[in-house]
Amino acid sequence: EAGVAQSPRYKIIEKRQSVAFWCNPISGHATLYWYQQILGQGPKLLIQFQNNGVVDDSQLPKDRFSAERLKGVDSTLKIQPAKLEDSAVYLCASSLVWGETQYFGPGTRLLVL
Amino acid sequence: QKEVEQNSGPLSVPEGAIASLNCTYSDRGSQSFFWYRQYSGKSPELIMFIYSNGDKEDGRFTAQLNKASQYVSLLIRDSQPSDSATYLCAAFFGGYQKVTFGTGTKLQVIP
Repeated sequence: EAGVAQSPRYKIIEKRQSVAFWCNPISGHATLYWYQQILGQGPKLLIQFQNNGVVDDSQLPKDRFSAERLKGVDSTLKIQPAKLEDSAVYLCASSLVWGETQYFGPGTRLLVL
Repeated sequence: QKEVEQNSGPLSVPEGAIASLNCTYSDRGSQSFFWYRQYSGKSPELIMFIYSNGDKEDGRFTAQLNKASQYVSLLIRDSQPSDSATYLCAAFFGGYQKVTFGTGTKLQVIP
């Protein structure tokens, strides 16, 4: 069974530029999560999808971050414009249903200069 | 008040000893709890989950849940240097369909 795929693995941009991350969850997993993990901290949930609907986006900075999950499968997370404090690892995870074990992708390491 | 709290550590134990990692949570409505291990530069991976009061054992790992006291712990027996990692506790709040992670405890197993 293929795991959660993410791309790119690394991205370096300058502040005020835009960036997009892509995630392909495990086949059949209805729930998809995007987390931001700053060095030395635990993952912070940005947004949670159930199929293609948003369940929780209470911690998503909506003035600069956006996310979508078309057709309930792949998802993209966008930052526009980026700030220095957005430098972090962005983790995508999926689970069969909400509340079940989450399987994480390798993450995208973002550095904003 | 943080919803899930962990001591950031580092917790240092000698090889072969028992490592005890603790986590407290604020919402009594929390239904299930997960322990993830995260090696430096890697993604979290599940060690085990628990949803009933008491102990759950899996190999060298034992998860303990006490809902009355609102804490969950992870015991690692016969600790190995390969167990050195950050251990993340996560709580699932069914009412909000939300999983919240703690900040993690860094474990160092000294050979």
